[in-house]
Formats: sequence, structure tokens, C-alpha cells
Amino acid sequence: QKEVEQNSGPLSVPEGAIASLNCTYSDRGSQSFFWYRQYSGKSPELIMFIYSNGDKEDGRFTAQLNKASQYVSLLIRDSQPSDSATYLCAVNSGGGADGLTFGKGTHLIIQP
Amino acid sequence: NAGVTQTPKFQVLKTGQSMTLQCAQDMNHNSMYWYRQDPGMGLRLIYYSASEGTTDKGEVPNGYNVSRLNKREFSLRLESAAPSQTSVYFCASSETANYGYTFGSGTRLTVV
Repeated sequence: QKEVEQNSGPLSVPEGAIASLNCTYSDRGSQSFFWYRQYSGKSPELIMFIYSNGDKEDGRFTAQLNKASQYVSLLIRDSQPSDSATYLCAVNSGGGADGLTFGKGTHLIIQP
Repeated sequence: NAGVTQTPKFQVLKTGQSMTLQCAQDMNHNSMYWYRQDPGMGLRLIYYSASEGTTDKGEVPNGYNVSRLNKREFSLRLESAAPSQTSVYFCASSETANYGYTFGSGTRLTVV
């Protein structure tokens, strides 16, 4: 059973601070890792993906991957109220087309 | 560019009724997926289609059937709806799972 674990939150962060979202996964053979943002009542939107150990930066977002620890994180710098959403971690095992396994999501609240 | 289009957006069914959820993508993606999203349960894979002409069961296939009509279209059918199938249903597509998904806007289904 492939599992992806996230703290459900809510995680409350002051505006302008760094929000840190964490995710662990059970399948050591996992190859690709994704972060989706989902606003209430909307569909998930892909914001970051990472395949290799280390950091990957895209604007205010940084994804971090540590395969040895089976841990992936998302940092949001200079958090804005518009970043308030649920963030879903997703993992693909083996590179096959059998679908991503999603965590249940972390609800992030940016306090103005 | 429409991306992934789902119809209908909302539906109320009586227990035992049948219906088909429609999904079409215009990105020439090979793989398509149906997920359901329930509070506290996250996104769970119902069925997927790795390529035109193939379909496979996901984590929660019971009570559902699918058809990959052509490369663009992937439909989900509920033959005899049950209250446990009350959920938000998302269709998604991808070139391969390693590139992440593009989601449709979702269908909010209530079975009474």
C-alpha cells in the first residue's frame, strides 16, 4: 500500500514569512514528486515538481527532496494571503501510468 | 485552450439511478484518470487509462465503470448510484505520470 502522509493543519503563517509544508512517502521506489495547490471548491493546480535529491526553486516556491529519508517539502517565501489554500503532495512510483498517490493535504492560512 | 473539460459540474441522483460523467482533453495526452475527493480522505484513484484502448482499476473501482472512447475522451459510469458515491469527481490527464496532471474543474455529485 503506497502511502503519502501530510499534516492536515491548519498551518497558520504571518504574511511575509516562510511557510514550510512537509510530506513523507512510504514507497522507496518513488521517482517523481509533485506539489499541487487547491483553493476551496476548485480543482488541484500543479505548482512544483521534483525528481532529484536537493532543492528546486521557482519564484517564491522551493521544493526539497530527500529520498533517503523519504521526505519532500515545499517552502513558500514571502507568503501572501493569496497563498492560503490546501497543498497536496503527490508521488509517482516507478514512473508508470498507474496514477499518482496523493496525500490528504495541508490547509495553509496566511494571516495578513 | 480548454485543457480538461468535465461535464456536468453538478448532479443530484437518487439511489439506484445511473449516470455517466464525461471528460475530454485537448492536450493530446496519452494518460487519463478519474479520482474522487472526499473530506478527510484526499484524492483516491478510481480508474485510469494509460493509453487509448486500455483501462485499469485504481484504488477504489467498485461501483464504477469506465470507457476510453478515443484519445481525447474518458468517461466514468455509475450503474446504480449509492449514497457512498456522493463525492467530488475529478478527471485528469497527463503525457505520462512523471509530468504531473492537468485536472478538470470537477463534478460535484450528490446521491440521495
